[in-house]
Amino acid sequence: SAVISQKPSRDICQRGTSLTIQCQVDSQVTMMFWYRQQPGQSLTLIATANQGSEATYESGFVIDKFPISRPNLTFSTLTVSNMSPEDSSIYLCSALTGAGNTIYFGEGSWLTVV
Amino acid sequence: AQSVTQLGSHVSVSEGALVLLRCNYSSSVPPYLFWYVQYPNQGLQLLLKYTTGATLVKGINGFEAEFKKSETSFHLTKPSAHMSDAAEYFCAVSEGDKIIFGKGTRLHILP
Repeated sequence: SAVISQKPSRDICQRGTSLTIQCQVDSQVTMMFWYRQQPGQSLTLIATANQGSEATYESGFVIDKFPISRPNLTFSTLTVSNMSPEDSSIYLCSALTGAGNTIYFGEGSWLTVV
Repeated sequence: AQSVTQLGSHVSVSEGALVLLRCNYSSSVPPYLFWYVQYPNQGLQLLLKYTTGATLVKGINGFEAEFKKSETSFHLTKPSAHMSDAAEYFCAVSEGDKIIFGKGTRLHILP
């Protein structure tokens, strides 16, 4: 398994500002992902964080709004840019381990934009 | 593309009763299948997974799920519900290196 730590765990942000979420995994993993969970809804994949190259974004998500970095095999960041109240969500970092293709999740970063 | 259907956005059972949460997937090729649980104000925790082999998979907290290829189902069960089982449950299926989630089922436990 993999233990995934995210910070901040919660934040209240002003409209128009940007916030960077950090994700640290306790072991090297093959892939890292960022999901969004809007209030009362399921998880939606934002992007796959690629080590040393640009992230691969899913339909409806763009790099200018959600820049992602992954400088090494255990660390990634997601920035939510120019936030609006619609960005109020839980943002979850996840990692794919080689064993059984299992994806593990961090505890999530709960963002409220006011 | 894969899809996951969870029947019932809310399920209520009495404490001590059988828990049955339904999940169907769309793939014609047996995928990897997962159940995750999300307790209030927490992240997601893996309950169990099916990759290959035995179709009845046992997970944590007394939960189990059975992969039925003919029905493209992966229903989650627990013989006796406990108050601490109240949570949101997500069925998920692999698509390449990604995981596609169902919309979730909120389980309510009645005293």
